[in-house]
Amino acid sequence: EVQLLESGGGLVQPGGSLRLSCAASGFTFSSYVMSWVRQVPGKGLEWVSAISGSGGGTYYADSVKGRFTISRDSSKSTLYLQMNSLRAEDTAVYYCAKDLDVVMPTAMDYWGQGTLVTVSS
Amino acid sequence: QSALTQPASVSGSPGQSITISCTGTSSDVGGFNYVSWYQQHPGKAPKLMIYDITNRPSGVSNRFSGSKSGNTASLTISGLQAEDEADYSCSSYTTTSTLVFGGGTKLTVL
Repeated sequence: EVQLLESGGGLVQPGGSLRLSCAASGFTFSSYVMSWVRQVPGKGLEWVSAISGSGGGTYYADSVKGRFTISRDSSKSTLYLQMNSLRAEDTAVYYCAKDLDVVMPTAMDYWGQGTLVTVSS
Repeated sequence: QSALTQPASVSGSPGQSITISCTGTSSDVGGFNYVSWYQQHPGKAPKLMIYDITNRPSGVSNRFSGSKSGNTASLTISGLQAEDEADYSCSSYTTTSTLVFGGGTKLTVL
């Protein structure tokens, strides 16, 4: 059974940093693209970032490029999102998701339950 | 990376069929076959319903179908059931190697 468990969310001040983690199990972690998708409560989904199965390809939304860094550790089957220079508009539930593809983000067939990030003073 | 355009809401009666549109540009929906649809119930994580325009993951009812014409993709749900009431979002791969979502559509089963 595929399981994705996010952690690391919380309250952070504007300009601060936070690192999200996503522990994966039930599939060959290095064989699939992994993504982060966020959602402001009551609003739509926003794709944030993705990383290829090998880790050699990384992709970012313009809204987070230069501030967020995605990475993965296949030895731990864990996905990360390092978030720096956080802004109020980054406040959202952050989901970790497994993609169907191995190289580029296309469609996400498994999702975690999400972790809430709140950026506020 | 402008969001894809979806109607804010659609509704239908049990047993009826409804269609949700998802309009983009030639840089996303029109340019690739990587259009997906997600169902999301309140307080829950999204669930993949359709991928690559027309394909259903294992376990998804065949009442759900997808199509595309030009820059617009569509999700059709036939034989509406009460449990179909949820938010539906489309997504597409783009020319900048990113994904873009639609704003989401709230489906109400009357």
